[in-house]
Parts: sequence; C-alpha cells; structure tokens
Amino acid sequence: DGGITQSPKYLFRKEGQNVTLSCEQNLNHDAMYWYRQDPGQGLRLIYYSQIVNDFQKGDIAEGYSVSREKKESFPLTVTSAQKNPTAFYLCASSIGRLDRAYQPQHFGDGTRLSIL
Amino acid sequence: AQSVTQPDIHITVSEGASLELRCNYSYGATPYLFWYVQSPGQGLQLLLKYFSGDTLVQGIKGFEAEFKRSQSSFNLRKPSVHWSDAAEYFCAVASGSARQLTFGSGTQLTVLP
Repeated sequence: DGGITQSPKYLFRKEGQNVTLSCEQNLNHDAMYWYRQDPGQGLRLIYYSQIVNDFQKGDIAEGYSVSREKKESFPLTVTSAQKNPTAFYLCASSIGRLDRAYQPQHFGDGTRLSIL
Repeated sequence: AQSVTQPDIHITVSEGASLELRCNYSYGATPYLFWYVQSPGQGLQLLLKYFSGDTLVQGIKGFEAEFKRSQSSFNLRKPSVHWSDAAEYFCAVASGSARQLTFGSGTQLTVLP
C-alpha cells in the first residue's frame, strides 16, 4: 500500500546536537511538507517542497533545514540553533501542482522529538 | 493572510448525542477546506473536504460539514457520536502555490459512556 513513512517514531536530542528526521513517500507525490505540532497550537508549517531540489520556508523555518534530492524523500534536520525543539513533527505529501487536480495532503504517523 | 479559528478547545458529549464542531476561516478567494482527525500519537486522517459545488459535504465515519460563505464557516457535524470518535479534530484551509495548509488550533473531543 502507498503511504508516508516517518522514522524514527521517538527521537532524543542532546544539547548542541543536530538530529535528522526521515520522511519517505511512495505515493508519487510532487509536494512534501513538514509541520511542527505543539499542544494547543495546531500544526505549523516548517518547510515545503514542490519539486526535487527546490524547497521553501514555511512559517517557522528558523533552526531547521531540509533537502529534497529525491522525489520520495524529504528529510528534516533540527539544528542546535532550534532552542525549543521538543515537539511532534509531522510529514505530509500531496500532488501539489496547480496543473493537476488538487488532492488533499496525506500525513505520516509523526516523530516525537525530546531533549535529554 | 489566511487563518482558521476553532473556538472550542475541548468539547464533551455523551455517546449517542449529536456533535457540532465549529470552524471559521479567513481567506480572500474561494477556499479549499478540510477537516482532519488525530488520535493520540498518530498522524492526521482526512475526514472530508470542500473544494466547490454542493455546500454540504459527506465524509468518512458518518461525519458531514456545511460550507457557509456568508458566515465564513465550515462546521463539522455528526448525528450520533460513538466512543471511538474521541480524538482531536482540526479544521484547515489550503492556499498558496503549493496549497499549503493553515490549521486551526484543534478541538479535543471527549465522549462519555
């Protein structure tokens, strides 16, 4: 079955350390997204990518970085510059292109990041 | 800029009772509107969507929502709630060239036996 796989499910970061969250999709979707979820705040967009080798900042990109070297993969790095990284991170994908019928975003099961 | 407001942080209903979750949006053009549901520690599952046409849309699990342009609302309803409906519900609007989603802050639903 097609879907989005996020790994790991739980991740712990030490002070000053960078960590990378994995997101892989086999839905043949062009667009991919990273969201951060905090209690009582809904989901906020970190980065998104509409095509390979291109990505755009979302509302809260500071302290994060991404890459899009393959259509199927959109890893998120939480850098040491992100001072409050404890959150639930969700990856999503969609067809995304304006020349194709819009379809809603599909979500992975998330990665919970905590600070040691 | 677009925004989504879910005025109710937490709602409690008894099993078998009806449910209405409120959602108001702010968006200049015709919106793409969604309701998602999230169980604890899980991702988001799409309940239903509105793109255009009939303003009453049917979704999965017996949910429906009505788009009211004059009120900028997209409220979610279910005539009879089941214990398994306990979860967090998010309303969202899609915009921008990449159809980025803007989410409301969510409504936590508790179902009493």
